[in-house]
Amino acid sequence: GAGVSQSPSNKVTEKGKDVELRCDPISGHTALYWYRQSLGQGLEFLIYFQGNSAPDKSGLPSDRFSAERTGGSVSTLTIQRTQQEDSAVYLCASSLVGSGFPYEQYFGPGTRLTVT
Amino acid sequence: GNSVTQMEGPVTLSEEAFLTINCTYTATGYPSLFWYVQYPGEGLQLLLKATKADDKGSNKGFEATYRKETTSFHLEKGSVQVSDSAVYFCALSLREGAQKLVFGQGTRLTINP
Repeated sequence: GAGVSQSPSNKVTEKGKDVELRCDPISGHTALYWYRQSLGQGLEFLIYFQGNSAPDKSGLPSDRFSAERTGGSVSTLTIQRTQQEDSAVYLCASSLVGSGFPYEQYFGPGTRLTVT
Repeated sequence: GNSVTQMEGPVTLSEEAFLTINCTYTATGYPSLFWYVQYPGEGLQLLLKATKADDKGSNKGFEATYRKETTSFHLEKGSVQVSDSAVYFCALSLREGAQKLVFGQGTRLTINP
């Protein structure tokens, strides 16, 4: 079946511009996560969605970052007024949800963002 | 807080060598532990996991045992192959809340023929 997909795969933008990154999770996965992979910070959590709500936004680095999820499916991560330090690979993952033991998170291929 | 520390890379070995990549963790609750692998040009994928103390996760010849007393989850393989060249990430997830993954810094492994 189809895995997690992300678009675009690569994005080059000028400093100060806004960007939108899209994630299509695996059908039926109610949990959706955004992570960021950068040379300086490694792999870090950004935000978690359960359905359309985001009970954990603790990893968003500043108020320039926001995300939404609609229809319990597609999610968009928006970065406003991009800065050079935002350059990274943005990863999306989805999973089933259960109480107790965490289900496997399936990762998309990522969007490589370069801010010039 | 919650954190994962794994051995510094890069690691370079010859084919058929024995591999150990060390991983230790700190956690505020009772975590599940994971090893993820990122092959060149590919996305992150789960290699193995363990959900409670003394559990052993295994896959593709790799093994890791959840050691609560030493807060460790070291990855081992008895005989590595060139195709094992990749970046390996140790991670934890708490059972409560978002169950988000907390990753170590990654270890780049290169296997020479």
